[in-house]
Amino acid sequence: KNEVEQSPQNLTAQEGEFITINCSYSVGISALHWLQQHPGGGIVSLFMLSSGKKKHGRLIATINIQEKHSSLHITASHPRDSAVYICAVEGSQGNLIFGKGTKLSVKP
Amino acid sequence: DGGITQSPKYLFRKEGQNVTLSCEQNLNHDAMYWYRQDPGQGLRLIYYSQIVNDFQKGDIAEGYSVSREKKESFPLTVTSAQKNPTAFYLCASNQGNNSPLHFGNGTRLTVT
Repeated sequence: KNEVEQSPQNLTAQEGEFITINCSYSVGISALHWLQQHPGGGIVSLFMLSSGKKKHGRLIATINIQEKHSSLHITASHPRDSAVYICAVEGSQGNLIFGKGTKLSVKP
Repeated sequence: DGGITQSPKYLFRKEGQNVTLSCEQNLNHDAMYWYRQDPGQGLRLIYYSQIVNDFQKGDIAEGYSVSREKKESFPLTVTSAQKNPTAFYLCASNQGNNSPLHFGNGTRLTVT
């Protein structure tokens, strides 16, 4: 079993829909990162969180440490949100373990 | 603007040749990382450096080498010993543990 599991692997949505991407992990962590990888390959850090909830524009990230689970939500989705979203957990030594990513496609 | 620059974006080499991928950052970050991305897999750590003139092997260091002579530069050499070098390579940096990662745009290496 992978230490970081993301679901779904692929997601297709219509413009305007509310989107949720899930990340479950099996190791102790000091922080969790959500990253966005564009079709060209470049990666942007969206959130780093260790508890609770963070919001940036239409993006919301939550984490439940007890349940070892995090969600990334996108409200009012737009075609420009189409990308691969990657969850990564950070151990106490600073080591990162990456999920395989969720490929999101938002249709106009 | 501060950021990480990887060059070139695409690189083609013949089997048996060493090749060096460039990574430069002007973010004044102490820590730098090299990751490899293959289809259907999460990013895997090749090497990392937390300070100038020091670096450590990651999970898949075999067939690779690095140097960290300057804070802003962390070049990766893919040697002929690397059995499956064709991949997408990403360089990243941050200020250390529990800080956001900054990534370059990646180099896609094809070895034939």
